[in-house]
Amino acid sequence: DTEVTQTPKHLVMGMTNKKSLKCEQHMGHRAMYWYKQKAKKPPELMFVYSYEKLSINESVPSRFSPECPNSSLLNLHLHALQPEDSALYLCASSQGAVDRGGGYTFGSGTRLTVV
Amino acid sequence: GESVGLHLPTLSVQEGDNSIINCAYSNSASDYFIWYKQESGKGPQFIIDIRSNMDKRQGQRVTVLLNKTVKHLSLQIAATQPGDSAVYFCAGSGGSNYKLTFGKGTLLTVNP
Repeated sequence: DTEVTQTPKHLVMGMTNKKSLKCEQHMGHRAMYWYKQKAKKPPELMFVYSYEKLSINESVPSRFSPECPNSSLLNLHLHALQPEDSALYLCASSQGAVDRGGGYTFGSGTRLTVV
Repeated sequence: GESVGLHLPTLSVQEGDNSIINCAYSNSASDYFIWYKQESGKGPQFIIDIRSNMDKRQGQRVTVLLNKTVKHLSLQIAATQPGDSAVYFCAGSGGSNYKLTFGKGTLLTVNP
């Protein structure tokens, strides 16, 4: 299995809702990432988990809450989002430090719309 | 920190021509670079990478060139095909072993 699987593919949520994005990989990668991508913009790093521990938080608002239940799973819990949070949320994984080679493997993303 | 940007936001080529996509970076401590291809509705896909101790690396129909003196890298695609139409991002790491910073992206359109 050489894929990163993200669910759901599309999500529409109200500003008072609570929802979760899920990401799964079975490549034995020990680092997992959440990126946010607005239309026609590059991906922007949100969080990095290394060996199931949060190692980087790029000053993301607390309405985004990441969770890494085990080495294969990564969740992003959403609460009280704003319309400007609408974007493509990408999950990625890597064997270890990114410069070990091969970069990240990305999932296809969750298209989130906040109404 | 790392800052990576592109010279041209769009590039249009004829099928069969060679394409060259450029990227500049600002952090001289950057030591690893990747080119990604992103098709509409999909996540970025790894194309090729290069380390700072190399000047050139070749893959299948793609070549990445790195000029550390002027902090510039390029992606060359030989015999460009319609399936190559996508947004291409360069990304670099420096300072953090886990963080990749992406450039602005170039939209490549291949005309049949």
